[in-house]
Amino acid sequence: AQTVTQSQPEMSVQEAETVTLSCTYDTSENNYYLFWYKQPPSRQMILVIRQEAYKQQNATENRFSVNFQKAAKSFSLKISDSQLGDTAMYFCAFISNYGGSQGNLIFGKGTKLSVKP
Amino acid sequence: DSGVTQTPKHLITATGQRVTLRCSPRSGDLSVYWYQQSLDQGLQFLIQYYNGEERAKGNILERFSAQQFPDLHSELNLSSLELGDSALYFCASSVPETAGDTGELFFGEGSRLTVL
Repeated sequence: AQTVTQSQPEMSVQEAETVTLSCTYDTSENNYYLFWYKQPPSRQMILVIRQEAYKQQNATENRFSVNFQKAAKSFSLKISDSQLGDTAMYFCAFISNYGGSQGNLIFGKGTKLSVKP
Repeated sequence: DSGVTQTPKHLITATGQRVTLRCSPRSGDLSVYWYQQSLDQGLQFLIQYYNGEERAKGNILERFSAQQFPDLHSELNLSSLELGDSALYFCASSVPETAGDTGELFFGEGSRLTVL
């Protein structure tokens, strides 16, 4: 069974600083996607960044970047120049894709990030 | 705005009752997923439909059922409600498998169910 583990239930960072959220996963699949979703107090699930497992290059979206280590099954999220609006729950998620058939999204327990002024 | 619409946004009901949650996926999306988010269980996958047919089942109780209609909207029916069913229920939709393989799911704003 596939699992996603986020070992940091809560983190805090000062505004304008950098923070890294950890995520590890377990799968025997070779084709899959990894995501970081953000859930602010408004509760909407917002996609932050996506990584295809077959791509070695780490994904980057503005201030957000990932460190994808496929062999280690590690997928951390780095937030640079943290802003107050980054305060939210962050969920790491995994979805397999075998033979063109997409599985369901499996989430970690989440990391509550607080950005302090 | 993800393009996924869920109604109602909030629902308060009593134990033993039955409720129906509705989801309209993004235009063109054939897959609909239902997730339950509770404080103790986190985000749990319940069930997936693809073009009207059940595709995958997760941790969905027998008291719960779902379906996807020909117009692709989906309904999640929760019956004999218990206090522990209080949660946020998300619907998500995704791009058809053959139309671009992004793996991304698009989430609605969720339906907050409170069982008293």
